[in-house]
Amino acid sequence: QKEVEQNSGPLSVPEGAIASLNCTYSDRGSQSFFWYRQYSGKSPELIMFIYSNGDKEDGRFTAQLNKASQYVSLLIRDSQPSDSATYLCAVNRGVTGGGNKLTFGTGTQLKVEL
Amino acid sequence: KAGVTQTPRYLIKTRGQQVTLSCSPISGHRSVSWYQQTPGQGLQFLFEYFSETQRNKGNFPGRFSGRQFSNSRSEMNVSTLELGDSALYLCASSLNPQNMETQYFGPGTRLLVL
Repeated sequence: QKEVEQNSGPLSVPEGAIASLNCTYSDRGSQSFFWYRQYSGKSPELIMFIYSNGDKEDGRFTAQLNKASQYVSLLIRDSQPSDSATYLCAVNRGVTGGGNKLTFGTGTQLKVEL
Repeated sequence: KAGVTQTPRYLIKTRGQQVTLSCSPISGHRSVSWYQQTPGQGLQFLFEYFSETQRNKGNFPGRFSGRQFSNSRSEMNVSTLELGDSALYLCASSLNPQNMETQYFGPGTRLLVL
């Protein structure tokens, strides 16, 4: 079982629709959760982070975390063609001494169609 | 504010050689992490440095090493290069290990091993 699993896609949604991206993780000790967007040929950029169970909204983006089910999701409302990218879920388990170890999923490719 | 810079941007080496990659973090950022990105394995954590100390290391062989200097700049070294080391090597900086939500990635160094 992979530590962080995502559906590779592509996930195709029409412009203006809601895109729903999902991620599951295996380590129950995971403490913080991140969503990165990566355009082709570019570096990942952080778009959302969430630490507590529930929903966190920022503009058109909502991150949802359910630690009991070991599940993180990202909703993108009013999807735009510029949202077309690969979305990486990352899970952090802090380690003794205060270090971090971010484990990434392989990413979901999102295509927003006109 | 300047972003994370990495040098060189592209590198071609042959098997058995060694390589050193450099990363300059965002001004004020004291934590630096390194990642390897390949089409097959995705984005994988290599190591994290803070205050010139390695805080954590990913599951990579000892051929991969790194260090951080007093000005927070970091280098990573790969010795005895193998074909499978061909990848995009990404450096990311954050204010400190407790604030991973401030992590920004550099543009990466693309390494090709022939």
